[in-house]
Amino acid sequence: SQQGEEDPQALSIQEGENATMNCSYKTSINNLQWYRQNSGRGLVHLILIRSNEREKHSGRLRVTLDTSKKSSSLLITASRAADTASYFCGAGNMLTFGGGTRLMVKP
Amino acid sequence: DGGITQSPKYLFRKEGQNVTLSCEQNLNHDAMYWYRQDPGQGLRLIYYSQIVNDFQKGDIAEGYSVSREKKESFPLTVTSAQKNPTAFYLCASRLLHSSYNEQFFGPGTRLTVL
Repeated sequence: SQQGEEDPQALSIQEGENATMNCSYKTSINNLQWYRQNSGRGLVHLILIRSNEREKHSGRLRVTLDTSKKSSSLLITASRAADTASYFCGAGNMLTFGGGTRLMVKP
Repeated sequence: DGGITQSPKYLFRKEGQNVTLSCEQNLNHDAMYWYRQDPGQGLRLIYYSQIVNDFQKGDIAEGYSVSREKKESFPLTVTSAQKNPTAFYLCASRLLHSSYNEQFFGPGTRLTVL
């Protein structure tokens, strides 16, 4: 099955810094999505990038996709304490998820 | 309000009992999904359904059963055959044949086996 695997597993930064997390997947996809999960809650969709796109922006989020390397990155700029959450990538139509990146932003 | 709901939020079960988790959506979505999440882990797909009266096994279907009698509803039964059912269960839905295949998630049900 198509699988998103996030890296690193955990990331701790200071407020105002940028946070970068990566995702790798195994087979060809037509799109890749990033989701956020606050502790004990459901996942919330952040952004979708299609296979014919290389970069996409949404507010403080920047997503890149490299289909030749089967990888994607999510950059959160000027992080805030409220960005503390787990972030997951979902690859392909069946959205198989990896273990996520747990981001902690210290005030 | 449009959305996807799950109930109950917390559920306690004695060993050997079957329990059913509810998932309802009023988004007119075709497909619905059940995931299991263990502490600090990612989501694993249990079952999914793309049309009424049809569903497919995901990666960890053993010990679980589902039904899809209505488009809006996709209940999950955790049977006594599931050896380690304590986990956080998430339901999701999405619109098929759309340029945006974003999944919408419910708030989850936390199941604890006593």
